[in-house]
Amino acid sequence: EVQLVESGGGLVQPGGSLRLSCAVSGFTFSNHWMTWVREAPGKGLEWVASIKEDGSDTYYVDSVKGRFIISRDTAKNSLYLEMNTLRGEDTAVYYCARVAEPYSSNQIFDYWGQGTLVTVSS
Amino acid sequence: EIVLTQSPATLSLSPGERATLSCRASQSVSRYLAWFQQKPGQAPRLLIYDASNRATGIPARFSGSGSGTDFTLTISSLEPEDFAVYYCQQRSSWPPLTFGGGTKVEIK
Repeated sequence: EVQLVESGGGLVQPGGSLRLSCAVSGFTFSNHWMTWVREAPGKGLEWVASIKEDGSDTYYVDSVKGRFIISRDTAKNSLYLEMNTLRGEDTAVYYCARVAEPYSSNQIFDYWGQGTLVTVSS
Repeated sequence: EIVLTQSPATLSLSPGERATLSCRASQSVSRYLAWFQQKPGQAPRLLIYDASNRATGIPARFSGSGSGTDFTLTISSLEPEDFAVYYCQQRSSWPPLTFGGGTKVEIK
């Protein structure tokens, strides 16, 4: 059974940092692109970042470029999102998701975690 | 950036009725459009990919159509568990990947 479990969310002050983790199981992690998507309170879904199966390519939405870093550790079957210089507008539930097809950048997200809440507030 | 506009924002229907949701792209996305369902407190669930392909385990009452800039998600006969928010997402031109603003299907 494919499972994705996020952790690391919490309350952080503006300008602070946080590192989210996504532990995966039930599939060969090293074969799939992965992504982070967020949902701000009362808002819709926003794509944040994606990473290639081997970690060699990464892509970000403009609003987080230079502040967030997506990475992965195959040995730990884990995806990460390091978030720096956090702002109020980064407050959201953050979801990790899997790209459906192995070795493909097709960005069809077939499995999602349950999300972790990040609150940026003083 | 490709902007996706969903309409209506809210759809009030009764169980058993047909739901028709629209997603319009600011430029052609070919058929590279997906639909998701999201219920309160839950993760999004992939329903349709590449405009008309049902994802694994999705009931046949969900269907997608369209190409280019205009797309439709149809729920042929609403079940109680179908009342939720629905999002479209394009993967034709990225980054950035973009989602529509959502359509809430509520019980009338």
